[in-house]
Amino acid sequence: GIQVEQSPPDLILQEGANSTLRCNFSDSVNNLQWFHQNPWGQLINLFYIPSGTKQNGRLSATTVATERYSLLYISSSQTTDSGVYFCAVGLPFNAGKSTFGDGTTLTVKP
Amino acid sequence: NAGVTQTPKFRVLKTGQSMTLLCAQDMNHEYMYWYRQDPGMGLRLIHYSVGEGTTAKGEVPDGYNVSRLKKQNFLLGLESAAPSQTSVYFCASSSGRYNQPQHFGDGTRLSIL
Repeated sequence: GIQVEQSPPDLILQEGANSTLRCNFSDSVNNLQWFHQNPWGQLINLFYIPSGTKQNGRLSATTVATERYSLLYISSSQTTDSGVYFCAVGLPFNAGKSTFGDGTTLTVKP
Repeated sequence: NAGVTQTPKFRVLKTGQSMTLLCAQDMNHEYMYWYRQDPGMGLRLIHYSVGEGTTAKGEVPDGYNVSRLKKQNFLLGLESAAPSQTSVYFCASSSGRYNQPQHFGDGTRLSIL
């Protein structure tokens, strides 16, 4: 099956710093989502981005499908950004199933 | 607009007991999924359904059964719970149309003693 690798596994930042999270995948995909799992365990959908670039406030994401990677940018980080960030990808003609990476754990210190 | 609702939110079972987790979606989605999340890992697919009356195995199906008798509901059953099934269970749904995201419930935290 498809392999999804996220890096770095852990990231510690001071409040106000910027960061880039990476998601590499081993096959061509037709869907890709970024999630934030908050301290209560809820999965918050950040972006649906199988290709191209999207921005939402301090967060933006870019997927280069031909090179099989996606990047999540967090600018001016806040303590509420802490949590685990997951990338999930789906293959074409695969019933919409998603394969998740193991996540990046982000800690933002005040 | 409730989206995807999972019941219950928490449950503690003894080894060998059975239970059913309920997932309900109000978005008229065709596709529904059950995932489990173990500590330090991403979600893994247990079973999924591409429409009412259909089910299929995912990556980690052993020890679980599912049913999709109504389009809006997807049930996950544990016939004889084992400690290895202690996990957080997430349900998701999608429209099934091209280029549409999955929508997730808030999870069910299940502990088996």
